[in-house]
Amino acid sequence: AQSVTQLGSHVSVSEGALVLLRCNYSSSVPPYLFWYVQYPNQGLQLLLKYTSAATLVKGINGFEAEFKKSETSFHLTKPSAHMSDAAEYFCAVSEGNQFYFGTGTSLTVIP
Amino acid sequence: ETGVTQTPRHLVMGMTNKKSLKCEQHLGHNAMYWYKQSAKKPLELMFVYNFKEQTENNSVPSRFSPECPNSSHLFLHLHTLQPEDSALYLCASSQDQGGTRNTIYFGEGSWLTVV
Repeated sequence: AQSVTQLGSHVSVSEGALVLLRCNYSSSVPPYLFWYVQYPNQGLQLLLKYTSAATLVKGINGFEAEFKKSETSFHLTKPSAHMSDAAEYFCAVSEGNQFYFGTGTSLTVIP
Repeated sequence: ETGVTQTPRHLVMGMTNKKSLKCEQHLGHNAMYWYKQSAKKPLELMFVYNFKEQTENNSVPSRFSPECPNSSHLFLHLHTLQPEDSALYLCASSQDQGGTRNTIYFGEGSWLTVV
């Protein structure tokens, strides 16, 4: 079965600093990859998805993620953090008829 | 109008009550899901329906009973719950259960508190 690992359950960055949230997956076959964001008291919202068209994927709110097959990684980045980016971020993988979610990374933005 | 709508957003129920959570999707999808999200725990897949047929039941206790009358609606019937069942219950949908080609879309969730 697929596994998704998000390194760092909590990440803190200063406002304006680079955001880097890490995600690694276990499949040997390139899967479809997703990042979701969950704001307080809300459901999960799709940030971006990789479907093999391009290794660098741009999403909403200035986020992007790069698929690196050799590293089985799909890290999420944003050049400059904003206070409104404070949320929980989930990496997910779909393979076959299953979706697999990471345990989430809570992002805190320090003013 | 959001793609996946859940009601109620908040529910408080006693351990002897019977209540239901409702989910409706307006995306024309054929697969619908119930997830449980507890504090400090990973998302737990509970049930999956594909074309109205239940295809996944991840060893969920029988006090949770799903119902999918059509591809747009999904219910979670609750009875004799325990305090540890208090959590955020998320409904989601995707085009079908062929995950490789699909994106899963979530509702806002229903916060359940069992007292």
